[in-house]
Amino acid sequence: NAGVTQTPKFQVLKTGQSMTLQCAQDMNHNSMYWYRQDPGMGLRLIYYSASEGTTDKGEVPNGYNVSRLNKREFSLRLESAAPSQTSVYFCASSLDRGNTEAFFGQGTRLTVV
Amino acid sequence: AQSVTQLGSHVSVSEGALVLLRCNYSSSVPPYLFWYVQYPNQGLQLLLKYTTGATLVKGINGFEAEFKKSETSFHLTKPSAHMSDAAEYFCAVSRSQGNLIFGKGTKLSVKP
Repeated sequence: NAGVTQTPKFQVLKTGQSMTLQCAQDMNHNSMYWYRQDPGMGLRLIYYSASEGTTDKGEVPNGYNVSRLNKREFSLRLESAAPSQTSVYFCASSLDRGNTEAFFGQGTRLTVV
Repeated sequence: AQSVTQLGSHVSVSEGALVLLRCNYSSSVPPYLFWYVQYPNQGLQLLLKYTTGATLVKGINGFEAEFKKSETSFHLTKPSAHMSDAAEYFCAVSRSQGNLIFGKGTKLSVKP
């Protein structure tokens, strides 16, 4: 049971570089999410996709873009990385939004120097 | 708007002692409430959730939480702490067709 798979697990970028974080789920879930986790801040929602073909901004979308490539895959792109984007990024999925359990990937630890 | 406040960023208990992690929420609509646990260098996993019905909810690993509407609280308890309970715990709130809103987390340490 793979669940939610994120790649890469670790990444170091220079300021101004771009990269895409990949996420795939094999649970046939409709909704997918990208969160960032910073010490003492909990998890903050960057973007979400309520269903295939839709994406919406979360709490902290600036500097990021997303693509819901198909029902399984939801990618997060940093166009021009900044040190403030140093964080741990989590992808999650759930059957639907609201009262259903969210399943999380293992995280991507990103450092921007 | 919904929000979650977790009281205490760090809680330390002795092995065998009661674990009590506090969570208060604010919501203008009936909330769905969750507790998630995160072990070091891992993603979050669900401990338990309240949606409707019985206000005392039992979860995995001996944890339980009680939804108290009058106090807008959803505190997490475990009668007897185990070393393996050391982790970070997150309370979260949601609503129908809504996204999870997380608290800032409480790190639980368990002393032998």
